[in-house]
This record gives sequence, C-alpha cells and structure tokens, in this order.
Amino acid sequence: ETGVTQSPTHLIKTRGQQVTLRCSSQSGHNTVSWYQQALGQGPQFIFQYYREEENGRGNFPPRFSGLQFPNYSSELNVNALELDDSALYLCASSLGGQGGEAFFGQGTRLTVV
Amino acid sequence: KQEVTQIPAALSVPEGENLVLNCSFTDSAIYNLQWFRQDPGKGLTSLLLIQSSQREQTSGRLNASLDKSSGRSTLYIAASQPGDSATYLCAVGPRGGSEKLVFGKGTKLTVNP
Repeated sequence: ETGVTQSPTHLIKTRGQQVTLRCSSQSGHNTVSWYQQALGQGPQFIFQYYREEENGRGNFPPRFSGLQFPNYSSELNVNALELDDSALYLCASSLGGQGGEAFFGQGTRLTVV
Repeated sequence: KQEVTQIPAALSVPEGENLVLNCSFTDSAIYNLQWFRQDPGKGLTSLLLIQSSQREQTSGRLNASLDKSSGRSTLYIAASQPGDSATYLCAVGPRGGSEKLVFGKGTKLTVNP
C-alpha cells in the first residue's frame, strides 16, 4: 500500500471527448509525475508537477495537460481523445529534489472507442 | 537520450530456482535506478532503489546491483516462488531530474510450481 490513490480505476470514452484523471499523492510528498503505459510497453513520462508548477514534460502533445493543487494532489486532462490514448495512466508521488523513491498508484485504465 | 533495455523479455523457471534479470542503460549520468514489480493490469510496486553512489541494495530474497560505468543493473531473486510471477521493470532517474524516470519494457517472469 503506497498511499497514492488514483480515480477512477477504469474509464471508457469516445474519440474526441475529454477526460480528467485524478491522483492523491502520498502524505508529505510534494512532487507528482504522470506516466502513460501502453499494452506490453514500459511507462512513458508525460509530465511532472512540483509545488504546483510544471517541472518537466515528456514527448506528449499539448492536449495532455495537468494541474497540481495546494494539497499536492493532481489532475491529468486529455482533450480530443484519440484511439491511441487507450492505455494505463499511472501517477507517482515523491519528495522532490531528494533523489527519493517514486511511489505509484494502481493506475487508471482508459479505453477510447 | 536515455534508453533502457531489459533482457530477457520473458522468463519461465521452476519454483526454487535462483534467477537474474538484466537491465542496461545508455547514459551513465544517472541519479538513481529503481526496480519495480507490476502484476497484470495493476500499478507499480517499488522493490529496490539504488542511488548512483551505491553498488547494491538488498531486500529479503531480492538483491539489486548497479554498475554505472558499464550501464548495467541486475536484479537477483533467490529461491523463486510462484508468487514472484509478475513483470519486473527497471527505471533510471536521469541526473538533473531524478524523479522523471525512464523505463525499460520489462521482463515477464513466470515461476512454475
């Protein structure tokens, strides 16, 4: 049990729609990172938030956006969904700048039809 | 650009066997390396974290080593059990952004009773 919770656990959306995924970080952690994991692949880094500011972004288009709130929870928003966005979305929390361990939530399985 | 490779992609062993999973990375300028376990459709469970200044870490039946100069890490599992069956992922934290992990594709381990 990592203390990182994600909601919802499963989601089905239609192509072109918008989706919001949520993550509550582990108590005391100020950094949240989001990853996309396609079937049979390793997770790919989407972006990271540190103390409510974006702190790095991977190779994902602008329709992937995020927020971090004062309590360090976070949201991932995806606009104009495409079929290829179907994946497991993982959130990780850590104590930023400390070279510490990343703790992952159970993920949100997004299916775009 | 950091690339992480895990060999083999899949491994099937009888219960009780000792085994080694391999991870290689192309850029030795890393901050840390983390091994994870992933059960089907689930999130990631952190197994071991090795800082760049360390050579190995141990937890129970697991031992992970790190050779930064050669760009290699190994995860040794002693006396394997059916409950160890899962996909094992290796991730490196690049220097300057230690929580922005770069993952391999994983090794799918099956331990047969």
